Formats: sequence, C-alpha cells, structure tokens
Amino acid sequence: DIQMTQSPSSLSASVGDRVTITCQASQDISNYLNWYQQKPGKAPKLLIYDASNLETGVPSRFSGSGSGTDFTFTISSLQPEDIATYYCQQYDNLPPWATFGPGTKVDIK
Amino acid sequence: QVQLVQSGAEVKKPGSSVKVSCKASGGTFSSYAISWVRQAPGQGLEWMGGIIPIFGTANYAQKFQGRVTITADESTSTAYMELSSLRSEDTAVYYCARDLIEPSGLPVFAFDIWGQGTMVTVSS
Repeated sequence: DIQMTQSPSSLSASVGDRVTITCQASQDISNYLNWYQQKPGKAPKLLIYDASNLETGVPSRFSGSGSGTDFTFTISSLQPEDIATYYCQQYDNLPPWATFGPGTKVDIK
Repeated sequence: QVQLVQSGAEVKKPGSSVKVSCKASGGTFSSYAISWVRQAPGQGLEWMGGIIPIFGTANYAQKFQGRVTITADESTSTAYMELSSLRSEDTAVYYCARDLIEPSGLPVFAFDIWGQGTMVTVSS
C-alpha cells in the first residue's frame, strides 16, 4: 500500500504569511494528488486536483506543485478564513482506491 | 448544481449494521461516481470505497473489504453505504462525495461535492 505523510502536522502563522505544507508518497504516484481544506464541523472542500490545478472558484492564493513522491501546497498570503485542516489525497485506478494524508492544522498566530 | 443529501444520525449496538443513504439532486446521477469517506472524532479522513452507478460496480478499501457494501439506485439517484459487524471504532461521521468519471469510464478521484455527513455512533 502507498503511504502518505504530511508535514508539519500543525503550524501557526500570521495573517499575510506564506504557508507551505508538504506531502510525501511512499512510492511514485505521478501527479495523482489532490488537496482539500476542512473547517471544523464541515465537509472537506476540494482546492487543488492533479497536484497543481486550481479547482474552479478557489482563490488564487492557493497553489500546489510536485510530482512523483514529493508535493507542496502553498497559501501565498494567509487569510483569517484559511484557518482549517488541510489534507492531501492520493489515488490510483489499478485497482481504484484513494488514501488521505494525516492532515495539517493551520492556525493564526 | 448537484447537491448530496445524506440520511440522519444513527446510534447502533456493537455487532449490528448501519445503512446510510446519499440522495443526489440536480445533475445526472449516472454521469458521476460516488465515494464514501469517514472521519472518526478528532481524526483524519479515510476513504472506504466508491461506486459508479451507471456500471453498478463498487470498489472498496482493503481495510473494509467484506464488511462494507456500497450500492446505488439510479431510479432514485441515491447511493447507499452499509457497514456490518459494527464496533466502537466505527463511530465516525460518514460522508458521501461526488467524483467525476473520465471518458475511459474510470473515476477521477477528485471529490468536488460532498454530502453534509452522517454521524454514526456505535455504543452498547
């Protein structure tokens, strides 16, 4: 099974700061990597798909990059409404299955 | 705009089963896949499995093989997730999520629309 790790597990940053979260796969997953935001008590929201594509309607301060085993998610200028937990999610189709990373909790300093 | 509306909270005894529904409104039910994702209290997200209603084929995470059954009824645009042999560790919020289908017929695994979640509590 492919294992996903995320770091850091939590972070605290100031409004306007650049925030970076990394996700690492235990083996090459090409660009089969998505990023989600989840606020307390709410369902997750898709932000980035296929490693670097911004979902429609998502602010451009969110971005993703990477391929293979190492991926990065960036918030270019942290806003108060970005307080949430962020999850990476890997997928494959042989056979079809998906795995989420353990999550990164982002707080305002 | 597609919306997914899930059934209400459930309280179950250990060893019993639970069946959660996910009704889609708007859009064409047969043109996308539905996955089920759960989240235990204070924990992360866990993919359980999914189904492409137009094909009727379901796929399951290895962890849940033999204990989960995912079905879909195209006539009512409703997907179901049944989990059997419940134990306390199954206490969680269960979400359904929409997934698009590639021209090849394979799921894209980018969950763009989610249900509101169904709390399942397993307690004696």
